Amino acid sequence: RKEVEQDPGPFNVPEGATVAFNCTYSNSASQSFFWYRQDCRKEPKLLMSVYSSGNEDGRFTAQLNRASQYISLLIRDSKLSDSATYLCVTPSSGSARQLTFGSGTQLTVLP
Amino acid sequence: DAGVTQSPTHLIKTRGQQVTLRCSPKSGHDTVSWYQQALGQGPQFIFQYYEEEERQRGNFPDRFSGHQFPNYSSELNVNALLLGDSALYLCASSSKTDGWRKREGRDTQYFGPGTRLTVL
Repeated sequence: RKEVEQDPGPFNVPEGATVAFNCTYSNSASQSFFWYRQDCRKEPKLLMSVYSSGNEDGRFTAQLNRASQYISLLIRDSKLSDSATYLCVTPSSGSARQLTFGSGTQLTVLP
Repeated sequence: DAGVTQSPTHLIKTRGQQVTLRCSPKSGHDTVSWYQQALGQGPQFIFQYYEEEERQRGNFPDRFSGHQFPNYSSELNVNALLLGDSALYLCASSSKTDGWRKREGRDTQYFGPGTRLTVL
């Protein structure tokens, strides 16, 4: 089983729609979780950090379910500018805290 | 406040050649991690440098090596390039000091724009 697995994409949604991505992780000891956004041929940019049960920032909500070992990202009122690949990330165990990435979910918001 | 910078932006090499990529971390950060991102995949951890030493290494061969300088900047070297080394190489910056971890959040890493390496 991969350490971090994400919903297969792509997701194509109309502007204004609500869309949710799920991500499962295998390391039950993980304490930190991140969603990064990556535009085509650009670097990943931090979207949200989650350290407890969830986090909300405007139209974006991340929820963590430790019992089932999954984390979700909900985007409300989608904008064209939300089109990107969304990467689910958690640090691996160990002192260096390397980040382990999912393979990403591609979102296209259509006009 | 300068963010993470990387050079060069793009690079084209042939099989068997050697390449050096460079990274300067965000101001105030002391730790540099390197990742390789192949097309359509998430970034894969190569190694991390802190206090001028390699602290942890991912599943990459010895052809991949690195260095960290006293000013915290870092280099990634790849020898004997293979076609499969073609990828986006990302540098991520973070800090192990408590002050920064409290300000930015535990385990947070910030990425540079990357170097796109093409091996022909």
